[in-house]
Amino acid sequence: DTEVTQTPKHLVMGMTNKKSLKCEQHMGHRAMYWYKQKAKKPPELMFVYSYEKLSINESVPSRFSPECPNSSLLNLHLHALQPEDSALYLCASRSGTGGNTGELFFGEGSRLTVL
Amino acid sequence: LAKTTQPISMDSYEGQEVNITCSHNNIATNDYITWYQQFPSQGPRFIIQGYKTKVTNEVASLFIPADRKSSTLSLPRVSLSDTAVYYCLVGDSGGYNKLIFGAGTRLAVHP
Repeated sequence: DTEVTQTPKHLVMGMTNKKSLKCEQHMGHRAMYWYKQKAKKPPELMFVYSYEKLSINESVPSRFSPECPNSSLLNLHLHALQPEDSALYLCASRSGTGGNTGELFFGEGSRLTVL
Repeated sequence: LAKTTQPISMDSYEGQEVNITCSHNNIATNDYITWYQQFPSQGPRFIIQGYKTKVTNEVASLFIPADRKSSTLSLPRVSLSDTAVYYCLVGDSGGYNKLIFGAGTRLAVHP
């Protein structure tokens, strides 16, 4: 199984809502990532979890709250978002056992629209 | 901060070989160079990875000179389905696991 599964594929939420994006992988990877991608722009790194601990936070606003309940799951909790947060949110995993070697496996993304 | 620079866009025709060069002047000793392909509304997909010299797999070749300050992705005999954005990544020496995408190269393949 070389898949990263993201749910939901599409999400529409108001600025006062609380919602969550979910990501799952069963490849035994110990590094998991959240990227945000706006139209015609490259993916922008948000968070990295390494061995279920948050290792990188790229100065992301606190309205985005990541969580890694176990080695297979990664969540991104959303609260009080702004319309400019509308984007494709991509989850990725990597074996993370050798510096920056090894490929990133990406999910298909969750398309978020904030009204 | 390891940073990559690529051409913004390229055009090619079916059946031609396409070479996309990436500049990474500040690459760290331990960094590998990885290329990804992305279609609209999909996650990027791994193409190839290398450290030095030449790497070849079933879809592409990667050429890395001795100084490792650049790399070239070579796509042999492209087809319309190769129209996509191609990203070159190197690790960020500021942090293990910190993988930053550059702007990417938008490749358009024409009939």
